[in-house]
Amino acid sequence: AQSVSQHNHHVILSEAASLELGCNYSYGGTVNLFWYVQYPGQHLQLLLKYFSGDPLVKGIKGFEAEFIKSKFSFNLRKPSVQWSDTAEYFCAVTNQAGTALIFGKGTTLSVSS
Amino acid sequence: SQTIHQWPATLVQPVGSPLSLECTVEGTSNPNLYWYRQAAGRGLQLLFYSVGIGQISSEVPQNLSASRPQDRQFILSSKKLLLSDSGFYLCAWSVGRGEQYFGPGTRLTVT
Repeated sequence: AQSVSQHNHHVILSEAASLELGCNYSYGGTVNLFWYVQYPGQHLQLLLKYFSGDPLVKGIKGFEAEFIKSKFSFNLRKPSVQWSDTAEYFCAVTNQAGTALIFGKGTTLSVSS
Repeated sequence: SQTIHQWPATLVQPVGSPLSLECTVEGTSNPNLYWYRQAAGRGLQLLFYSVGIGQISSEVPQNLSASRPQDRQFILSSKKLLLSDSGFYLCAWSVGRGEQYFGPGTRLTVT
């Protein structure tokens, strides 16, 4: 069965530090890839997505992610985090049938000011 | 613009009681609709999805069922709740294979 792995369960950073959250998926075919973010007390929101084309995608709030097909990876990055980036981050991939998303277990990011 | 509503926001129900959670979408037609359960440290688990009225696919066998009586309405039900049904339930919609948009969720506590 398809799966998504997020390697970091909880990441703690100081403001201005750089961020990279790992995401690997198991299916080798055509997939759409997503990062979602859930700020405390808020809805799950789309951060960025990759469907095709340039493997380096840019999302909201200065986030970006790079799709590396050979590594089945879609890591999320931000050069300088802010306290307001404190949230839970989920990586997701479309299932083989294209009917739904498979989510990783999430990474909690805590940024101290 | 499109919006998605879920209610109730929180619910406390005794074991063995029935359940009905409702989700409605505004501003789009013929969306794909989804029910997920979110558990702390376990991500989101897809429960049901629907590509049209009356068309429901179940991803995980369990004590829950789903129905889609109207194009933009999706209902999650149970005849008899179990303690293990406690959790945070999210409804989402999408157009085709595109990104999914999530509702505010319902926190269900079964006592």
